[in-house]
Formats: sequence, structure tokens, C-alpha cells
Amino acid sequence: DIQMTQSPSSLSASVGDRVTITCRASHSISSLLNWYQQKPGKAPKLLIYAASSLRSGVPSRFSGSGSGTDFTLTISSLQPEDFATYYCQQSYSFPRTFGQGTKLEI
Amino acid sequence: QVQLVQSGAEVKKPGASVKVSCKVSGYTLTELSMHWVRQVPGEGPEWMGGFDPEFSEKVYPQKFQGRVTMTEDTSTDTAYMELSGLTSEDTAVYYCATDRQLHFDYWGQGTLVTVSS
Repeated sequence: DIQMTQSPSSLSASVGDRVTITCRASHSISSLLNWYQQKPGKAPKLLIYAASSLRSGVPSRFSGSGSGTDFTLTISSLQPEDFATYYCQQSYSFPRTFGQGTKLEI
Repeated sequence: QVQLVQSGAEVKKPGASVKVSCKVSGYTLTELSMHWVRQVPGEGPEWMGGFDPEFSEKVYPQKFQGRVTMTEDTSTDTAYMELSGLTSEDTAVYYCATDRQLHFDYWGQGTLVTVSS
């Protein structure tokens, strides 16, 4: 199984900050990496797919990069609604696996 | 636009089985690759299995093989996930999610399954 490791596990930031979350895969996954945002009591929501493609309707302050084993999610200017938990997930092989999450807090 | 509506919360005793449904609208079930993901409170999501269109078969992680069954009723566009041999460690929110191009793009609202004696 491919293990996905995110860092940091939690992050304190302020509105307007630029933040970066990192995800590392235990084996190369090409660009088959997705990012999700989850708020309490809600299902995860797809933000970025194929490492760097922004899902339609997702604000452009979100961006993704990377390939192989190292990936990043960047939020260019934090907004109040961005405080949530973020997960990476690989679609390179079965079983599909998720990172353990990064909780973004004020 | 795909919409997925799941069945309501369940309380089960250890050793029992649970069957969660996921009603699809906006598309037909045959147009979608349906997957199931669960999330223990306070933990990250965990993939439980789903349809692999490359080989036209369902794929399950080893952890759940023999204990999970995913089925579909195409006449009602409803997918089902049945998990047997429940223990307290199966207490979680269970989600259905579609995977059309190697990402989970639409999710159900989640179904809380509580296993307690």
C-alpha cells in the first residue's frame, strides 16, 4: 500500500496569510494526487485533482503542485472560510489512501 | 450535477451487520464508479472499496475483504454497502463517493454507524 504523510498535522495562521501544506507519498504516484477540504460534520470536498488542476468553482487562491512523491497545497491569502482540515489522497493504485490530515486553525 | 443521498444513522450491536444506501440523482448509477469511504471520528478518511472501470470489477482493500459487500440496484440508481461482523472499531461515518476521473468528486452526506452493546 502507498502511505501518504502530511505535514504539518496542524497549523495556526491568520486571515490573509499564505500557507503551504505538504504531502509525501511512500512511492512515486506520478501526478495522481488529490486534495480535499473538510469542515466539521461535513463530507470532504474536492479542491485540487491531478496534483495541480483546480476543480471548477474552487477559488483561485488554492493551488497545488508536485509530482512523483512530493506535493504541496498552497492557499495564497487565507479567508475565514478556509479554516478546516485538509487531506491529500492518491489515485495511482489500489487501495486508495489518504493522508492523516492537516488542521488549519486561527 | 451529481447528488448522492444516503440513508440515516444506524445503531448496531457487536457482531451484527449494517447496510447503508446511497441514492444517485443527476446521473444514472451505470455512468458512475461508486466508492465507499469511512471516517472514524477525529481520524482521516479510509477507503473501503469501489468499482474499478479498467477491469470492470469491484476492488476492496485487504482489511475489509470478506466483510464488506458493495451492490447496486440500477432500477432505482441506488448503491449499497453492507458491512458484517461489526465491532466497536467500526463506529464511524460512512460515505459514498463517485470517482469519474481518478478523484472523488461527489460525496454523500454521510451515515453515522454506531456499534454498541
